[in-house]
Amino acid sequence: EAQVTQNPRYLITVTGKKLTVTCSQNMNHEYMSWYRQDPGLGLRQIYYSMNVEVTDKGDVPEGYKVSRKEKRNFPLILESPSPNQTSLYFCASSSWGETQYFGPGTRLLVL
Amino acid sequence: QQQVKQSPQSLIVQKGGISIINCAYENTAFDYFPWYQQFPGKGPALLIAIRPDVSEKKEGRFTISFNKSAKQFSLHIMDSQPGDSATYFCAARLGGKLIFGQGTELSVKP
Repeated sequence: EAQVTQNPRYLITVTGKKLTVTCSQNMNHEYMSWYRQDPGLGLRQIYYSMNVEVTDKGDVPEGYKVSRKEKRNFPLILESPSPNQTSLYFCASSSWGETQYFGPGTRLLVL
Repeated sequence: QQQVKQSPQSLIVQKGGISIINCAYENTAFDYFPWYQQFPGKGPALLIAIRPDVSEKKEGRFTISFNKSAKQFSLHIMDSQPGDSATYFCAARLGGKLIFGQGTELSVKP
């Protein structure tokens, strides 16, 4: 089954404790992206990757890091999480120019 | 320049009615305009999309109308059904970036 998976689905952490949210796709897509969703703000793009070893900033990259060492994986790293990073995070992938497939989301609470 | 403004924020429609959601953009370099549908607890899913060289695209009950000169595009849902109740997002693409509108929460009453 073609899908984008994210782990964990739910995470509660404390300020400053490094965390990684994993994203994996099994569709051999070149393009992957991370978004955060906050009430009233829609989805905002954090980082995207056009292919392996190619990443670029979206609209809200501050406080986040990503890497794309393999085509199927695109982890999101929060080196020192802060409460304003409490949000619902989505990973997505696509063949360039085609439909973006979204993962199920990761709900993060930073205390 | 890269904002996409979406309205209304919420919409209540009777079953069988027409739901209309509007979006406006500023950057004429956007080259792809998708609409996403999101149900509670799920990730967004592509509903329908249009490119700026086309003025209208229809897929079943869903139609996008695109006005390039006004820099506006809209989603029309004909014969709205309770199962259409969801949050709808318009978006615009520029290179690798996808800019979303703020979302519209649609409720279709039986």
